Amino acid sequence: GAVVSQHPSRVICKSGTSVKIECRSLDFQATTMFWYRQFPKQSLMLMATSNEGSKATYEQGVEKDKFLINHASLTLSTLTVTSAHPEDSSFYICSASQQLNNSPLHFGNGTRLTVT
Amino acid sequence: KNEVEQSPQNLTAQEGEFITINCSYSVGISALHWLQQHPGGGIVSLFMLSSGKKKHGRLIATINIQEKHSSLHITASHPRDSAVYICAVTPAYNTDKLIFGTGTRLQVFP
Repeated sequence: GAVVSQHPSRVICKSGTSVKIECRSLDFQATTMFWYRQFPKQSLMLMATSNEGSKATYEQGVEKDKFLINHASLTLSTLTVTSAHPEDSSFYICSASQQLNNSPLHFGNGTRLTVT
Repeated sequence: KNEVEQSPQNLTAQEGEFITINCSYSVGISALHWLQQHPGGGIVSLFMLSSGKKKHGRLIATINIQEKHSSLHITASHPRDSAVYICAVTPAYNTDKLIFGTGTRLQVFP
C-alpha cells in the first residue's frame, strides 16, 4: 500500500534555531500534501495545504513566515519551523493525497518537536 | 458545537469485548474516514466510507447518511487495539478539507 515517510521522528532544538521536517510519498505522486499540528490529547489541526509547484495555502492563524512549506516535487514536501520557540513544541504530522475525496488518507508517522 | 462529534471520549475494555465508537456530524459529506492513531503518534487510515458498511478483519465500519452517523466496531478486542480512534469527514462544500473529531481513546486490558 501507499506509504508516506516523515523524517525526523523526534527532534530537540534550541530556541532561535530552525528545524526542517520532511514528508515523502514513497510509491505514489502526491499532488497535495497536508501539514497538521497536534497538541497533547487534542485532535489534528490543519496548518497548511501544500500543492506541488505552487505556494502553500495556510490556515487562518498560522504564520507563513514562521512555518515555511516547500513542495518542490511530487514526492517531497518540507515544513521548516523558523526561529523556534518553546511554544512551537508539538507533534507535527503530514499526510499526502493524490485526490483527497476519492483516495484513502496516507499519513506520515509524525515528528515530535521539542524546543528548549 | 463541533461539526464532528465522537463518543465516548475514553473507553476501557477487557480483552475479548465488543467495542463500538460513535461519530456524528452536522454537514453534508463526500466521505467519512476512520483513523487509528498509535501511542507513538503514527496514524493509519482504517476505512473510507460514503455509504453502507465495510469490514476489515475484526473491524467493521457503518454509516447512515440520512442520520449523519457512523460507527466503528471492534470484535474480539485485543490489547493491541489500544489506540486513539479518530473520525474525520470530507465535507461536500469543500472536498479539499478534512474535519476531525476529537478522537476516542481506547484501552483494552488483558
